[in-house]
Amino acid sequence: AVQLTQSPSSLSASVGDRVTITCRAGQDISRGLAWYQQTPGKPPRLLIYDASNLRGGVPSRFSGSGFGTDFILTISSLQPEDFASYYCQQYETNPYNFGQGTKLE
Amino acid sequence: EGQLMESGGAVVKPGGSLRLSCAASGFKFDEYTMHWIRQVPGKGLEWVSLIQWDGKTSEYSDSVRGRFTVSRDNTKNSLFLQMSSLRTEDTALYYCAKDGGTLLPASDYFFDSWGQGTLVTVSS
Repeated sequence: AVQLTQSPSSLSASVGDRVTITCRAGQDISRGLAWYQQTPGKPPRLLIYDASNLRGGVPSRFSGSGFGTDFILTISSLQPEDFASYYCQQYETNPYNFGQGTKLE
Repeated sequence: EGQLMESGGAVVKPGGSLRLSCAASGFKFDEYTMHWIRQVPGKGLEWVSLIQWDGKTSEYSDSVRGRFTVSRDNTKNSLFLQMSSLRTEDTALYYCAKDGGTLLPASDYFFDSWGQGTLVTVSS
C-alpha cells in the first residue's frame, strides 16, 4: 500500500492566515492525489483532484500543487468556514487510501 | 453531481452479517464507478471497495477482501455492500461515494459526491 503522511496533524491558525498542509506519498503517485475537507457530522467534500485541479464551486482561495511524492494544499486567506479537517487521498494504486488528516483549529 | 443515501446500518454481533444499500439519484448511475468508504467516528477515512459502472469489476481493501461483497443494480440506481464475518474493527460509519471521473464511464477513483453515511456497530 502507498503510505500517505500528512503534516501537520493539527494546526492553529486565525482568520486571514495563509495555511499550507503537506501530504507525502511513500512512492511515486504521479498526479493521482485529491484533497477533501470535512466538518464535524458531515461527509467529506472534494476540494482538489489530480493534485492541482480545483473542483467547480470550490473557492479560489484553495489551491493544490505537487507531483510524484510531495503535495501541498494551500488556503490563501482563511475564512471562518475553513476550520475543519483536511484529508489527502491517493488514487494511483489499490488501496485508494487517505492520509491521517489535518485538523485546522 | 448527484445525491446518495445509505441505509441498512445496525448493531450486529461479531461473526454476523449485514447488507448495506445506497440509493442514487440526480446523475446517470450506470456511467460511474461507485465506492464504499468507512470512518470510525472521530477517526480517519478508509476506502473499502469499488465496483465499476457495468458491475463487472470490483476491488477491495485487504481488510475486507473475502468477507465483503459489493454489487450494484443499475436498473434501480442502487449500490450494495454485503458484509459477512463481521469483526469489532468493522465498526464505523459507512459512506457510499460517486467516482469523480469526468471521462465517461468514470473510473478515476476519487470521490466527488458522498452520502451521509450509515452506522455499523459490531459488538457482542
